[in-house]
Amino acid sequence: DAGVTQSPTHLIKTRGQQVTLRCSPISGHKSVSWYQQVLGQGPQFIFQYYEKEERGRGNFPDRFSARQFPNYSSELNVNALLLGDSALYLCASSLVDRSDPFFGPGTRLTVL
Amino acid sequence: GQNIDQPTEMTATEGAIVQINCTYQTSGFNGLFWYQQHAGEAPTFLSYNVLDGLEEKGRFSSFLSRSKGYSYLLLKELQMKDSASYLCAVRSDYKLSFGAGTTVTVRA
Repeated sequence: DAGVTQSPTHLIKTRGQQVTLRCSPISGHKSVSWYQQVLGQGPQFIFQYYEKEERGRGNFPDRFSARQFPNYSSELNVNALLLGDSALYLCASSLVDRSDPFFGPGTRLTVL
Repeated sequence: GQNIDQPTEMTATEGAIVQINCTYQTSGFNGLFWYQQHAGEAPTFLSYNVLDGLEEKGRFSSFLSRSKGYSYLLLKELQMKDSASYLCAVRSDYKLSFGAGTTVTVRA
């Protein structure tokens, strides 16, 4: 069975641009969470979606938004990119909202 | 708020044992995870504790004391491939809160 997949693998943007990151959960998993990991730090929670509804949001500005589709895949959007948004963005899927998460390989975003 | 502390770096010799401590103060608790993360890669699951005590899985063991807000990960018979960052994470409700990670360097 395929694990969590994310695209793209790497991305380079400039300040002020917008970016969309994509995540496909493990087959049968209905919950997707997004985390941001800045170099040298642990991952920070951004969003969780379960059954296409937002279940939780971390301490991130409104420039960050996400959604979950009927097939349970998810997109994370970041507007008006700042240099500080450069990070590894991790997607984790779980069977339901409180079950064990499985992480994808991440998308490395560099903002210049 | 969530506060999770673990040492920044540890160095050990191949074949030795290393213990990584994690202390936490969180507003909720539904279990504690340990992940291994190699540079530039995603975290991979190592262990999970929700009740007090020791969980053993091969060369890796993890211990939890909920009353003390304390956990440790024990790595035995260290191998060069164990050089990585080790993340302690506490689950409360639907989200994980991570420590900053402990970088373990295994020397020959």
